[in-house]
Amino acid sequence: QKEVEQNSGPLSVPEGAIASLNCTYSDRGSQSFFWYRQYSGKSPELIMSIYSNGDKEDGRFTAQLNKASQYVSLLIRDSQPSDSATYLCAVNAWGQNFVFGPGTRLSVLP
Amino acid sequence: DAGVIQSPRHEVTEMGQEVTLRCKPISGHNSLFWYRQTMMRGLELLIYFNNNVPIDDSGMPEDRFSAKMPNASFSTLKIQPSEPRDSAVYFCASLSQAGTVDSGANVLTFGAGSRLTVL
Repeated sequence: QKEVEQNSGPLSVPEGAIASLNCTYSDRGSQSFFWYRQYSGKSPELIMSIYSNGDKEDGRFTAQLNKASQYVSLLIRDSQPSDSATYLCAVNAWGQNFVFGPGTRLSVLP
Repeated sequence: DAGVIQSPRHEVTEMGQEVTLRCKPISGHNSLFWYRQTMMRGLELLIYFNNNVPIDDSGMPEDRFSAKMPNASFSTLKIQPSEPRDSAVYFCASLSQAGTVDSGANVLTFGAGSRLTVL
């Protein structure tokens, strides 16, 4: 059974702080790793994808991947109240299903 | 592109009734996924298709659920008979499995979802 684990939260951070979200996965064959953001009552939307070990930065977001440790993380710098949402980690092996974690609920306090 | 289009957005029905959810994937995408999301169980895969062929339906709860993809631009998820425990948000998502793993095409795009309430 392929599993993706995340801390369910809620994770509360003050506005302007760094939010750190973590994810571990069980399938060593996973090749693609994604972070989706889901606002309440909305559908998941992609914010970051990462395929190689190391860091990938996009604006205020940085994804980090360590395949040896089967670990993916997302850092959100200068957190804003609009970042308050549930963040879903997803992993995929080419041609196979996308497995989602349970999500971490982030609350950014003004 | 209009994105992944799902209908209906909301459905309220009574136990025992048939429910049909519809999905139009993004044009050119060759893979389609049906997920169900509840507070208790999160986002669960029900079934996915590659090139209109069902690849993995192990997530379909039981025989009451069926899914079809008669062509590249349309899929249905049917529940018959429906039960209160089927109440959830059902998402359809599509992607283009072309190129290489990291080509950027291997990205799952979700529809707005269909919120089902079975009384």
